[in-house]
Amino acid sequence: QVQLQESGPGLVKPSETLSLSCTVSGGPVSSDRYYWSWIRQPPRKGLEWIGYIYYTGSTNYSPSLKSRVTISLDTSKNQFSLKVTSVTAADTAVYYCARGYCSGGSCYDIDPWGQGTLVTVSS
Amino acid sequence: QSVLTQPPSASGTPGQRVTISCSGSTSNIGYNSVSWYQQFPGTAPKLLIYSNNQRPSGVPDRFSGSKSGTSASLAISGLQSEDEADYYCAAWDDSLNGWVFGRGTKLTVL
Repeated sequence: QVQLQESGPGLVKPSETLSLSCTVSGGPVSSDRYYWSWIRQPPRKGLEWIGYIYYTGSTNYSPSLKSRVTISLDTSKNQFSLKVTSVTAADTAVYYCARGYCSGGSCYDIDPWGQGTLVTVSS
Repeated sequence: QSVLTQPPSASGTPGQRVTISCSGSTSNIGYNSVSWYQQFPGTAPKLLIYSNNQRPSGVPDRFSGSKSGTSASLAISGLQSEDEADYYCAAWDDSLNGWVFGRGTKLTVL
């Protein structure tokens, strides 16, 4: 049973860089069937897809965040990571890492999800 | 900015059947499968329905999904108090090359 766990600072100052890691247990990140994803949820708001990384290192990001986001993969640690630069209060959210399932050229559901970690941007 | 449209709220009494709609476009729901997620306060979303109408192991058969054209629906029959939660629809978007979500529907059991 695959499980994901986010880790990283819960408080980041404005204009600095938010950095989170997601440790995957129970299965390898080097699988060709999954897009390892980051999703966030601002307080009292809905879910926003941030981006994903494939086992080849290929990435794709939400257009609204593309200029500030980097997702990377570390197969030796079975982890993937998120960096968001130049953060503002609008980046305050619960950040989830999750596994997106894709097969045969199509992508389907997102499962499982990490428990989420709240990141607050404040001085 | 959500690409999929859901009603912000829905409600029903115990035992009733409730449906939640999700509307998209040809770039997402029209050509890709829909999934639904259930989220309780302070917890991560949980996969409820995948591939339009499939239930993961452990999800009661009171929950069902359907899709027609660029719209999808989640139905909950025999409503129970523990079903009170937020429900989100999602689909892959071919233009975005990523997942899009609805804004979520808050279900209240009266």
